[in-house]
Amino acid sequence: GAVVSQHPSWVICKSGTSVKIECRSLDFQATTMFWYRQFPKQSLMLMATSNEGSKATYEQGVEKDKFLINHASLTLSTLTVTSAHPEDSSFYICSASGRAADTQYFGPGTRLTVL
Amino acid sequence: ILNVEQSPQSLHVQEGDSTNFTCSFPSSNFYALHWYRWETAKSPEALFVMTLNGDEKKKGRISATLNTKEGYSYLYIKGSQPEDSATYLCAPHSGYSTLTFGKGTMLLVSP
Repeated sequence: GAVVSQHPSWVICKSGTSVKIECRSLDFQATTMFWYRQFPKQSLMLMATSNEGSKATYEQGVEKDKFLINHASLTLSTLTVTSAHPEDSSFYICSASGRAADTQYFGPGTRLTVL
Repeated sequence: ILNVEQSPQSLHVQEGDSTNFTCSFPSSNFYALHWYRWETAKSPEALFVMTLNGDEKKKGRISATLNTKEGYSYLYIKGSQPEDSATYLCAPHSGYSTLTFGKGTMLLVSP
């Protein structure tokens, strides 16, 4: 139980394009989903927290207009990196839980490379 | 955001060795601490959730202890096996705040 999928697992795109990453909880309802980013040799950094049906809460320094998050259902959240630039190249990983303080179940992550 | 330190950064042991690593975090407003194991090309897997001072949790050859007064947790692996090779992450949180992850300890177990 508690399986989270993430798609795509990797993506390469040209600078200026937008990329959408999907995060799905396959066998449970996730009231809260989290999006993290990890740069090489760094820790997982929380970008935003999203609750189903409401606007995402972004961490300080994360541009909400650049990283659009939608959590339209209890099993799906999407992260769209708009007008991607090379500095957005990173590993993006989502997690899902029943509520904010519960154990988080992670997806396998998405490696984004912006050329 | 909490200041979370994990040490060592990496560790290389031989099969059969026992090992341990540390997670340090601010002791004030502590609520819970999570340990995750993250194998390459897989999703981070939840190992333990610890809440009480003096807690000790065990899962097979892996165990963890918690000291909330001084702000640290130890993760122990007894008789390490190659399949234990992974990055071990700790993530404390206070109240209803979100998890703050450490950089992890990368463990490599050689046969």
